[in-house]
Amino acid sequence: DGGITQSPKYLFRKEGQNVTLSCEQNLNHDAMYWYRQDPGQGLRLIYYSQIVNDFQKGDIAEGYSVSREKKESFPLTVTSAQKNPTAFYLCASSAKQGNYGYTFGSGTRLTVV
Amino acid sequence: SQQGEEDPQALSIQEGENATMNCSYKTSINNLQWYRQNSGRGLVHLILIRSNEREKHSGRLRVTLDTSKKSSSLLITASRAADTASYFCATDSSGGSNYKLTFGKGTLLTVNP
Repeated sequence: DGGITQSPKYLFRKEGQNVTLSCEQNLNHDAMYWYRQDPGQGLRLIYYSQIVNDFQKGDIAEGYSVSREKKESFPLTVTSAQKNPTAFYLCASSAKQGNYGYTFGSGTRLTVV
Repeated sequence: SQQGEEDPQALSIQEGENATMNCSYKTSINNLQWYRQNSGRGLVHLILIRSNEREKHSGRLRVTLDTSKKSSSLLITASRAADTASYFCATDSSGGSNYKLTFGKGTLLTVNP
């Protein structure tokens, strides 16, 4: 089955640590995205990538980093510079051009302890 | 930046009734999409309506788009308890070359059995 897989489902981070969230898709989609969702809120775009080895900042990129070395993979690193990282993180993918919907992963819930 | 804004924020109805949710947005769009999110899960794409379309149907879903008023509505007919979820509208204002969606804060729909 084609789909998009996020791991882990739950992640706990200590203060000052960097953590990496995994996102893998086998849909042959060119574009991939990372969103952050806070309780009762909509989704805010962190980073997105339209093609391998290229990515752009979204609305809230500070304290995050990404890489896109393979078409299938778009990992997100939450760095210690992100002051309020506790949130639900969602990865999505789509065909490169518009007029197609996104396919979302099931999310990673990150908690700072 | 939040482009779309859903109304109402929360809606509670009885099974069998119709549910209507509205979305307003600010800038011109290529298309508008509706997504559903069950609690703690990823988003699921429901329907996409292009800027040159006025109405679209998919099963029990009906979406309308009024570009002159910059608004859209999602109607779910004959609701079921399984329709209980948050519903988000998302807009593509990218001009087709840099496809990314901007999401609203969502409407929480509760369907009581």
